[in-house]
Amino acid sequence: GNSVTQMEGPVTLSEEAFLTINCTYTATGYPSLFWYVQYPGEGLQLLLKATKADDKGSNKGFEATYRKETTSFHLEKGSVQVSDSAVYFCALSDRGGATNKLIFGTGTLLAVQP
Amino acid sequence: EADIYQTPRYLVIGTGKKITLECSQTMGHDKMYWYQQDPGMELHLIHYSYGVNSTEKGDLSSESTVSRIRTEHFPLTLESARPSHTSQYLCASRGQASYEQYFGPGTRLTVT
Repeated sequence: GNSVTQMEGPVTLSEEAFLTINCTYTATGYPSLFWYVQYPGEGLQLLLKATKADDKGSNKGFEATYRKETTSFHLEKGSVQVSDSAVYFCALSDRGGATNKLIFGTGTLLAVQP
Repeated sequence: EADIYQTPRYLVIGTGKKITLECSQTMGHDKMYWYQQDPGMELHLIHYSYGVNSTEKGDLSSESTVSRIRTEHFPLTLESARPSHTSQYLCASRGQASYEQYFGPGTRLTVT
């Protein structure tokens, strides 16, 4: 079945460091891919998405490119801030299922220190 | 900006009580979802709905029940709360035209 694997955390970085959070997926067909962010005490917010191979999603300085050849959708940011501290979830849409549900990775906690 | 609301945000309740967690959205979305999020952060789909009068069990077995009488409203009910129900509950919805889901702020439930 479809699945998402993302790197385990916590990831601890200093402010202005470069961020990569790895995400790989297994899917039949051509799923859409998403990154969600969850700040403490809140629900999930859509951070960015990509709907087809080679698409690059971007938002708030974060980027991720849909790589079909490596089945990956790694999240990157060139210079993190303390305010980026949160849990990040990679997800794919299960287009083949009747619900078109999202399949989530287990989440990666990012802690950015000043 | 998505408009999806959950109440209460926090609830502490004793064992055996009946509770209802409210979820409402103003976007006219047909599909709605309930997730349970454990302390390890992982999300588990417990219920979903295609539209009015449609409800289905999710991937994780749950003792809760849901109803969908109106498009905008998708409440979750626990008939008899137990400490094992202590968790964060997240509601989400999506429209027909895209696959992304929009989440509410969550209800953190503690059963003592």
